[in-house]
Parts: sequence; structure tokens; C-alpha cells
Amino acid sequence: DAKTTQPPSMDCAEGRAANLPCNHSTISGNEYVYWYRQIHSQGPQYIIHGLKNNETNEMASLIITEDRKSSTLILPHATLRDTAVYYCIVMSNQAGTALIFGKGTTLSVSS
Amino acid sequence: GAVVSQHPSRVICKSGTSVKIECRSLDFQATTMFWYRQFPKQSLMLMATSNEGSKATYEQGVEKDKFLINHASLTLSTLTVTSAHPEDSSFYICSAGEGAHSYGYTFGSGTRLTVV
Repeated sequence: DAKTTQPPSMDCAEGRAANLPCNHSTISGNEYVYWYRQIHSQGPQYIIHGLKNNETNEMASLIITEDRKSSTLILPHATLRDTAVYYCIVMSNQAGTALIFGKGTTLSVSS
Repeated sequence: GAVVSQHPSRVICKSGTSVKIECRSLDFQATTMFWYRQFPKQSLMLMATSNEGSKATYEQGVEKDKFLINHASLTLSTLTVTSAHPEDSSFYICSAGEGAHSYGYTFGSGTRLTVV
């Protein structure tokens, strides 16, 4: 079973920031938080991951709470092309470990 | 960045025939590849973990004799759906990792299988 809890759906206006929450209260000390997204009928795309510090890349920012029990993925300026299912996954960084997908959050960006 | 090529993207086959799906890592060596299945409006379900040069590890409930996985090289894994039936119609996706996945696994674009 997935170790994370995400809202099933969210809406966001184009150009605004999209903040996607994720609860992972049973996360272990060696587990990272990964975010992927899947645009309709495509393979998932890696977005970002982190252990305990906040992270930022060209796609998004990841904010992890100090107790690591929850995190938020931030898309600073959502576009229509960001409409997708977003998956929050906790997993160790050990080679050979598979990603286990939960139900994710369907983000709908509208103009 | 790392690229995983999956082929074919779409296939229609007759019931009772076999279909092979290829997953290639184009610019890195993948010691481990994963195969997923996704039914409409559902999440990805892990089917098996494929390790180069050894037998695949199948998830509970996945028939290893029906879904044959071969990972003969560090850049190629194949999934063969044998004696396909309409209930095998699904979206099949592979992913590959290069050792410790510091930058996450890379996924193929998926294969839409329709069995008629």
C-alpha cells in the first residue's frame, strides 16, 4: 500500500501558484519524498525529490516539514500544460527499490 | 537527461496471440528496470522488477508464465504478454534506474495494448 495521502483533486487558475499537499506520517529516516506527474496517456515524469531540506529546481519547489510528516509541491506559475496527475511517493534511495504509486492528485489548471 | 524508449506505443492483437514490448535505456546502463500496468482511471501498478542477467521478481498476483520478462543486457528489457486475452488490455509502462536513483527513475512513454 502507498504510504502517502493526497487529495484526489485540485483546481488552479493559470498563472497562479499550485500548492499540492502530501501526508506521509509514517516516513522512515532513510526515505526520501519523490514527486512525479503523469500527463494523460504518457509515462510518469520525475519532478523533484528531497530528504529533509527544501528543494527547488526548474520545474517546482518542494517544502518538507521539519518533522518530515508532510510536504508540499509548489508549481510557482501553473500553466495549462501542468494539468496532470501528481504522485507523492516515499521511498528509500537504495538502488533497485521500486516506486509504488498511490492514487495521486489530479490537478486541473484552467484559464 | 536519461531517456527510456518504449516500443511499440500502441498495439492491437488477437486473443490468444503473444505480444512483445521493448524497453530501452538510450544513454545509460540500467541495472534494474520495472514494469507497470495501468488500467483506465487507475494508478500505476507494479508488475515486476527486472534485473540484468537474472530472473525477474514478480509482484503478488502477477502470473510470471503469462508476463515473461527478459533483461538480457544493461540497456534492454522486454515484456512478453503470452496468450493475450481481452482482460490483458491495458497501458504498460516501463521505467529504468541507473544504480542509486539520485535523480529519480525515468519512465518510458508506455504501450497501449488492446486485445480483440
